[in-house]
Amino acid sequence: EVQLVESGGGLVQPGGSLRLSCAASGFTFSSYWMHWVRQAPGKGLVWLSRISSDGSSTTYADSVKGRVTISRDNAKNTLYLQMNSLRAEDTAIYYCARGSTIFGVVVPNWFDPWGQGTLVTVSS
Amino acid sequence: QTVVTQEPSFSVSPGGTVTLTCGLSSASVSSSYYPCWYQQTPGQAPRTLIYNTNTRSSGVPDRFSGSILGNKAALTITGAQADDESDYYCVLYMGSGISVFGGGTKLTVL
Repeated sequence: EVQLVESGGGLVQPGGSLRLSCAASGFTFSSYWMHWVRQAPGKGLVWLSRISSDGSSTTYADSVKGRVTISRDNAKNTLYLQMNSLRAEDTAIYYCARGSTIFGVVVPNWFDPWGQGTLVTVSS
Repeated sequence: QTVVTQEPSFSVSPGGTVTLTCGLSSASVSSSYYPCWYQQTPGQAPRTLIYNTNTRSSGVPDRFSGSILGNKAALTITGAQADDESDYYCVLYMGSGISVFGGGTKLTVL
């Protein structure tokens, strides 16, 4: 079964840092681009970042550029999101998602599957 | 700042047909934006309905269909059922690896 399981969320003070993890199983992790998407309480989905299958290429939304770093360890089948200088508005559920492909060709915007999410709360 | 627009809410009667749209604040949406549609119920992760404008994801009932209508991407639900009551999100590809979600549409079936 293809599965993504996020961890690392929790309560952090403003200005603090947190590293989220996403453990992948059931597929060849090293063959897929991976993404992070977040959802503030009661709000919509926001795409944050993506990383290439080999980790050599990364892209960030303007809203988080410079404060977050996406990375991966293909040997451990794990995706990461390092978040620094956290603000109250970063409070959200953070989802990891696999970038899906057709015959090995990446299909933009097609994120499947998604993990169950991990909650990050930024508050003093 | 690119804004992807969706109707905040919509209502449909059971068995009825509803079309949700996904637009851009300053351009027309085409298949070049690779519109995708996701369904999300409370407390759950999003689920893919449609990718590449009009391709249904595996296991998605054929009452869901995607298209380009005029200058927007569209998700049509034909024969709405009670369990279609969910939030629906579209996402557009802006190039250079950037994807932008719309604000979502809350669909009520009553």
